[in-house]
Amino acid sequence: QKEVEQDPGPLSVPEGAIVSLNCTYSNSAFQYFMWYRQYSRKGPELLMYTYSSGNKEDGRFTAQVDKSSKYISLFIRDSQPSDSATYLCAIRGNTGKLIFGQGTTLQVKP
Amino acid sequence: NAGVTQTPKFRVLKTGQSMTLLCAQDMNHEYMYWYRQDPGMGLRLIHYSVGEGTTAKGEVPDGYNVSRLKKQNFLLGLESAAPSQTSVYFCASTSGNEQFFGPGTRLTVL
Repeated sequence: QKEVEQDPGPLSVPEGAIVSLNCTYSNSAFQYFMWYRQYSRKGPELLMYTYSSGNKEDGRFTAQVDKSSKYISLFIRDSQPSDSATYLCAIRGNTGKLIFGQGTTLQVKP
Repeated sequence: NAGVTQTPKFRVLKTGQSMTLLCAQDMNHEYMYWYRQDPGMGLRLIHYSVGEGTTAKGEVPDGYNVSRLKKQNFLLGLESAAPSQTSVYFCASTSGNEQFFGPGTRLTVL
């Protein structure tokens, strides 16, 4: 079993839709949870990170962590074509290294 | 600031050839990382460094070597390239919880 699992998609939605991206993880000791966005042929860039359980909101983006279920989510409200990218969840383990999910490719159609 | 830069951007090698990928960062970060990204596999850590003169193995280190002679530079070497090393390689450096990524190097081994 991989330490972090993420559905690779692809996910295609119409402009304005609410998007839900999800990851599961196996180690309950993980504390830091991150979402990276990667545009085609570019390096990943940090979108949001949360510590422990709960929600964090930044504009149209909301990151949610449920440690009891070992489940993390990223919600995008009012999705835009410019949100089309690959979204990678990442978890920082005790060693400080990041463990990435496989990434979900999102396409928002105008 | 240029952030994290990588050279070259593209390279084609023949099986058995060697090459070195250069990563440079101007943010005075202590930690630097080399990842490879393959379809459906997410980002996998090859080697990393916690400071000048130090290196350590990541998840997939076989076939690669690294050096960190200067704080700002992290080199990834392939001594005898194999087709299985065809991938996109990303370098990253860390400040706190955020990893900053370079633009990537696309390597094809024929």
